[in-house]
Amino acid sequence: DVKVTQSSRYLVKRTGEKVFLECVQDMDHENMFWYRQDPGLGLRLIYFSYDVKMKEKGDIPEGYSVSREKKERFSLILESASTNQTSMYLCASSPGGSGKDTQYFGPGTRLTVL
Amino acid sequence: KQEVTQIPAALSVPEGENLVLNCSFTDSAIYNLQWFRQDPGKGLTSLLLIQSSQREQTSGRLNASLDKSSGRSTLYIAASQPGDSATYLCAVRAPGGTSYGKLTFGQGTILTVHP
Repeated sequence: DVKVTQSSRYLVKRTGEKVFLECVQDMDHENMFWYRQDPGLGLRLIYFSYDVKMKEKGDIPEGYSVSREKKERFSLILESASTNQTSMYLCASSPGGSGKDTQYFGPGTRLTVL
Repeated sequence: KQEVTQIPAALSVPEGENLVLNCSFTDSAIYNLQWFRQDPGKGLTSLLLIQSSQREQTSGRLNASLDKSSGRSTLYIAASQPGDSATYLCAVRAPGGTSYGKLTFGQGTILTVHP
């Protein structure tokens, strides 16, 4: 079974802190994604990566950056956390290539910024 | 810009009922459409994936249909059970190029099946 793990289930940070959210997949997937999920707004794509060191902006990249130094790991960085970044963050990965692949999601990290 | 809408936002049914969840999208140029399930506080689990050239997919008690030209998909759940209670999300995948792999999600239908 594909496994996507996220470093924390719950995280509480203060405004202005630098925050790292880590995601690891164990199936040698090409593509990795970061979403945030908010009530009334659904899931929105922040960034995605289709290869090591490659990244593409999603729909809401402002205030975020990402890093993919190794194929299995995709990190989301909040350079200076703000209260409007309080949300559920979901990481996903997919094999890529065939066009028939689905995305596999991690359990999510619920981030609260005070 | 692709927009995905799911109706109804919430649904409560007694156990055993057959039910239909609806999903519509504004841009018919899609690669595929997926239905996901999300349990409270958890990540998403893929239920069914329909390629743009297909009309339907089935898995157990679930059947999903796709009418790309009209921008609609339905998820049919037969003989519902309390264990089916969850949020159901539909997502469309953009075609290739720089949008490769990108999914646009609807806001979901919260399903409650009571005994």
